[in-house]
Amino acid sequence: DGGITQSPKYLFRKEGQNVTLSCEQNLNHDAMYWYRQDPGQGLRLIYYSQIVNDFQKGDIAEGYSVSREKKESFPLTVTSAQKNPTAFYLCATAWGGVVQPQHFGDGTRLSIL
Amino acid sequence: AQSVAQPEDQVNVAEGNPLTVKCTYSVSGNPYLFWYVQYPNRGLQFLLKYITGDNLVKGSYGFEAEFNKSQTSFHLKKPSALVSDSALYFCAVGSANTGKLIFGQGTTLQVKP
Repeated sequence: DGGITQSPKYLFRKEGQNVTLSCEQNLNHDAMYWYRQDPGQGLRLIYYSQIVNDFQKGDIAEGYSVSREKKESFPLTVTSAQKNPTAFYLCATAWGGVVQPQHFGDGTRLSIL
Repeated sequence: AQSVAQPEDQVNVAEGNPLTVKCTYSVSGNPYLFWYVQYPNRGLQFLLKYITGDNLVKGSYGFEAEFNKSQTSFHLKKPSALVSDSALYFCAVGSANTGKLIFGQGTTLQVKP
């Protein structure tokens, strides 16, 4: 989706290192989401934010942190506490509420060195 | 509890034949149901949704889905498959109670010429 930019496309992490994944949107959507995708497991929600300066934990928040200082940006930090970070990470946005379709970026693939 | 099941890991069809990708769900309250498609190394693309109203929902690229409340199902269908329809398909259910979407594990659709 051209309105959501995730960077970098590929990222490598060393043991004990924190890394930050970027998600920027120009769709003026209020809600932003981070999902983790593993083969055969679908998407699992890490964190979400319905409004600036507020966010909630999803189903697998341990080892991750986020911030929402601007409407356009919702960066995800994968901390050293996340012991199995290798996955495909997807950022999504929506106008708000579960009745609205979510729009997805093209993801960041994180691997362990 | 809120959950989605896609009972088939893979569906194989011949080009020109009708296709069905199955989805069943469990949710408290009224369900908000979605289908998404994902191509390799890309984000998810929204196909269609059911919120309320007519049980047969039409979406993008000739896809449609039928909501069946008694069977708690929301199967994705297309009358005539194309090779270009080959991709990974996700069903998702949202609940106003939780404010979150839950995704199925995905079904790989393979359309052969």
